[in-house]
Amino acid sequence: GDSVTQMEGPVTLSEEAFLTINCTYTATGYPSLFWYVQYPGEGLQLLLKATKADDKGSNKGFEATYRKETTSFHLEKGSVQVSDSAVYFCALSDGYTDKLIFGTGTRLQVFP
Amino acid sequence: DVKVTQSSRYLVKRTGEKVFLECVQDMDHENMFWYRQDPGLGLRLIYFSYDVKMKEKGDIPEGYSVSREKKERFSLILESASTNQTSMYLCASILQRTGPDTQYFGPGTRLTVL
Repeated sequence: GDSVTQMEGPVTLSEEAFLTINCTYTATGYPSLFWYVQYPGEGLQLLLKATKADDKGSNKGFEATYRKETTSFHLEKGSVQVSDSAVYFCALSDGYTDKLIFGTGTRLQVFP
Repeated sequence: DVKVTQSSRYLVKRTGEKVFLECVQDMDHENMFWYRQDPGLGLRLIYFSYDVKMKEKGDIPEGYSVSREKKERFSLILESASTNQTSMYLCASILQRTGPDTQYFGPGTRLTVL
């Protein structure tokens, strides 16, 4: 079945460092891909999404490109802030239902 | 803005108790979901509903049931709580769609079963 694999955390960075969180997927159809973020004590909220190959999703300085050839959707940010500290989830939707399949989450800790 | 609310942020129950977790959304969304979140496992789908009185099993439905009597409300029921159901429970909703769209999540209920 469909699945999402993302890098284990925690990822620990200093403020203004470059961030990459890797995400790869396995899917039989043409999934849409999402990054959700969970700040401490809160539910998940959508960070960005991409619906087809080569699409780039972006929001709040974060970017991810839907790479069909490598089945990847890596999250990047050029300069992280302390306020970016959160858990990041990569997810896919199979395009036929509304169900999401999530990765295990990656905790990001940014220190001043 | 869409608002998804859950009845409790923290809940402590005893083994064998019947537990109700309530979720309400205010945007007339058709589809609603219940997930549980556990460290190292991410989010796993328990049940979902496409319409009032309709329900579908997700990936881990055992030990749970759901109720959707009104469009805006989706309840998760633990018939007889067990310690392995200690977890964070997240509700989500989405407008029925013809293309990929965003699920909106509630803040979560952290349930501890003693």
